[in-house]
Amino acid sequence: KAGVTQTPRYLIKTRGQQVTLSCSPISGHRSVSWYQQTPGQGLQFLFEYFSETQRNKGNFPGRFSGRQFSNSRSEMNVSTLELGDSALYLCASSPSTLAGGPYETQYFGPGTRLLVL
Amino acid sequence: AQTVTQSQPEMSVQEAETVTLSCTYDTSESDYYLFWYKQPPSRQMILVIRQEAYKQQNATENRFSVNFQKAAKSFSLKISDSQLGDAAMYFCAYRSSGAGSYQLTFGKGTKLSVIP
Repeated sequence: KAGVTQTPRYLIKTRGQQVTLSCSPISGHRSVSWYQQTPGQGLQFLFEYFSETQRNKGNFPGRFSGRQFSNSRSEMNVSTLELGDSALYLCASSPSTLAGGPYETQYFGPGTRLLVL
Repeated sequence: AQTVTQSQPEMSVQEAETVTLSCTYDTSESDYYLFWYKQPPSRQMILVIRQEAYKQQNATENRFSVNFQKAAKSFSLKISDSQLGDAAMYFCAYRSSGAGSYQLTFGKGTKLSVIP
């Protein structure tokens, strides 16, 4: 199976702009989670989607939003970019079935490196 | 809220030797999952090993094994016969098993260097 893919891999934006990042999960995986990774704060959870519904949200401002499509692909959007939004944004997918157990493991994509100038 | 602590920001090991990375966590839950992820310079986060809290037996994956001490809330990773390709950031992560808690909580990471 193909792994989690994220596009674009690199992005440069200026303050005040908005950006949309895309994530395609492993085939058959229904859950997609997003994380922000910075040198100062480490890895922080943004949100998680399952069957087009946001099930969980981390402690980020409303400028960060996301959505999931019927084919489980997900996008995250950051509006009114700030310098502090420069980070590696990681997407992870998991099967997320009711059975739980090993199905709850999250598999990560290569990330999108966002630089805000 | 759960917290994960990795007390060793950096470690080094000689090639072919054994190294242990430490991780402690704080939770009031009795059932949960613990993970070790590896992030090489390429930035792709790779699952190394996983442990379910209800299982007493320590997980093992080839050269990687864990020492899971539930009462002490400790989850260390042992890498045997270290190889140059093991050089990376290693993250310990916690995930609740409860419905509504789907995120991973990560430690700050340990940078492992492998000396030839």
